[in-house]
Amino acid sequence: EDQVTQSPEALRLQEGESSSLNCSYTVSGLRGLFWYRQDPGKGPEFLFTLYSAGEEKEKERLKATLTKKESFLHITAPKPEDSATYLCAGGVYGGATNKLIFGTGTLLAVQP
Amino acid sequence: ETGVTQTPRHLVMGMTNKKSLKCEQHLGHNAMYWYKQSAKKPLELMFVYNFKEQTENNSVPSRFSPECPNSSHLFLHLHTLQPEDSALYLCASSQGLAEYNEQFFGPGTRLTVL
Repeated sequence: EDQVTQSPEALRLQEGESSSLNCSYTVSGLRGLFWYRQDPGKGPEFLFTLYSAGEEKEKERLKATLTKKESFLHITAPKPEDSATYLCAGGVYGGATNKLIFGTGTLLAVQP
Repeated sequence: ETGVTQTPRHLVMGMTNKKSLKCEQHLGHNAMYWYKQSAKKPLELMFVYNFKEQTENNSVPSRFSPECPNSSHLFLHLHTLQPEDSALYLCASSQGLAEYNEQFFGPGTRLTVL
């Protein structure tokens, strides 16, 4: 069964304290690993898509990397405004439908 | 602003009520999706439409009835819901159904079933 698992479930950091979020996946025929940010009361906001092992993408203080089994979201010198739930999803293309298999997310709190 | 809007943002309904959720996308996309997000659970895909045609029904109970009159609008008609249907219902859109099309989400409708 296709599955995406995120860890930790919650993470509390001090401002400026760098860390990484993990997303491990068992998805047959993975077609992209997607990262989203979700703020309370809002829908997920697209951050990155990674397509092949070794690929890296950066946006401000965030860098996403991908291996054959997992993806990491590295947060460098986080600020309080980075506090959110970070979701990862494995893309599955079934010929007729583009599906995303989501993890349960990591709730990140960055304290000043 | 993601270009995907949803109304209402909050809805409280009894188990015997009939209500509808509305989604509109202003991105020129051709595919639209309904997801259910419950606490501590992954986002759960419910329905997929491409060019107004349904391409996926993820074994959703018939008390949820989707409607897609055109590529910009998507509705979810609700009737005789159960308390366990209380959740955040998210609409998303993508350019198409190809594997490289990112999905963009609306803000969601927070549904409470009493």
